[in-house]
Amino acid sequence: DTAVSQTPKYLVTQMGNDKSIKCEQNLGHDTMYWYKQDSKKFLKIMFSYNNKELIINETVPNRFSPKSPDKAHLNLHINSLELGDSAVYFCASSPFGAGDKGYTFGSGTRLTVV
Amino acid sequence: GQQVMQIPQYQHVQEGEDFTTYCNSSTTLSNIQWYKQRPGGHPVFLIQLVKSGEVKKQKRLTFQFGEAKKNSSLHITATQTTDVGTYFCAGDFGNEKLTFGTGTRLTIIP
Repeated sequence: DTAVSQTPKYLVTQMGNDKSIKCEQNLGHDTMYWYKQDSKKFLKIMFSYNNKELIINETVPNRFSPKSPDKAHLNLHINSLELGDSAVYFCASSPFGAGDKGYTFGSGTRLTVV
Repeated sequence: GQQVMQIPQYQHVQEGEDFTTYCNSSTTLSNIQWYKQRPGGHPVFLIQLVKSGEVKKQKRLTFQFGEAKKNSSLHITATQTTDVGTYFCAGDFGNEKLTFGTGTRLTIIP
């Protein structure tokens, strides 16, 4: 049983397209996140949801729109993809406040915009 | 802004040598976490430090949190090839989000 699962694992698409990445966790966690990891391995938070409510929205272009239909799912939709959006996108979840269990990350979605 | 810096960015060591990565924050942290990311993998939680001056050990790994709760270190004794990866610290500034450090990429020379 995968704790945090993301689909797809790889995504290659042309500039200007719209794409979605899905994330599901079966850990019963209250909080879910989207992180972006660039080619230099920097991990930056994009969004955080607690029990379906948006609590963190970093400086991210509004082409990126998260959606949380329930606390086990957090999807990321990206409009009008640009070359600079190429990166690995990680979904993560944690109990509220994280505690001593930390964040549990999904295996990532490698997005390549051509 | 709230930033967490890590040094070194890269470290190449002979198998069996020790390795240390250092993490520094400009402001006091509520707690700090450490993660390991294997090549091609995802970050995996290692440990959380909360108290000033705290030291925790996991087998060959020793984690420290500074007295001022602004810095931390991870020390690996007698590295093995399985230690290869990027080690990240992640600081919690009390604002319900983790700010990841820049990471230290460890490679082992057999």
